[in-house]
Amino acid sequence: GQNIDQPTEMTATEGAIVQINCTYQTSGFNGLFWYQQHAGEAPTFLSYNVLDGLEEKGRFSSFLSRSKGYSYLLLKELQMKDSASYLCASMDSNYQLIWGAGTKLIIKP
Amino acid sequence: DADVTQTPRNRITKTGKRIMLECSQTKGHDRMYWYRQDPGLGLQLIYYSFDVKDINKGEISDGYSVSRQAQAKFSLSLESAIPNQTALYFCATSSGSEHTGELFFGEGSRLTVL
Repeated sequence: GQNIDQPTEMTATEGAIVQINCTYQTSGFNGLFWYQQHAGEAPTFLSYNVLDGLEEKGRFSSFLSRSKGYSYLLLKELQMKDSASYLCASMDSNYQLIWGAGTKLIIKP
Repeated sequence: DADVTQTPRNRITKTGKRIMLECSQTKGHDRMYWYRQDPGLGLQLIYYSFDVKDINKGEISDGYSVSRQAQAKFSLSLESAIPNQTALYFCATSSGSEHTGELFFGEGSRLTVL
């Protein structure tokens, strides 16, 4: 079966760094996506990895290891506005996104 | 104005009623999707359409139907609503390029079925 696992909730301190992990098992693989979703709002696209390695985009970076079925999202210099849910999604062989349940990130002052 | 617009944003209805959720987009994308989101679960795909003449079932299509009236419009219908269809529904679009996983979501339609 297809499965995406990520922690339900994490807490971090303003100004710190946090890493949100995601493991995936999908039928085929065409990329790993991260989305941010603030409470009561729509998800918005953050990053896309299809090759192994780290993709950096400002304060946010995303890493992929295809052999391990593993990705993480790294958030640096945390700000209060980063409090949100972070959704991991893997694209399968049919180019369909399989979504994790999301990780709720709580930022404390 | 939002690029992907959903109406209504909130709806409370009774079991057995017919409900339509509408989605329109100004992004010029060919691909449109309907998802539902429940607490503790990932987004689940209900239906998707890659162009006006193309409609495909997603993983949870039972109890739902869709209509692609134009490139810019994609409607979701619940013919006879039931309480377990209470959820947050999102419409989304994508360009169909190699980056097909980059979805643009509407603001969501919260549906409550009593």
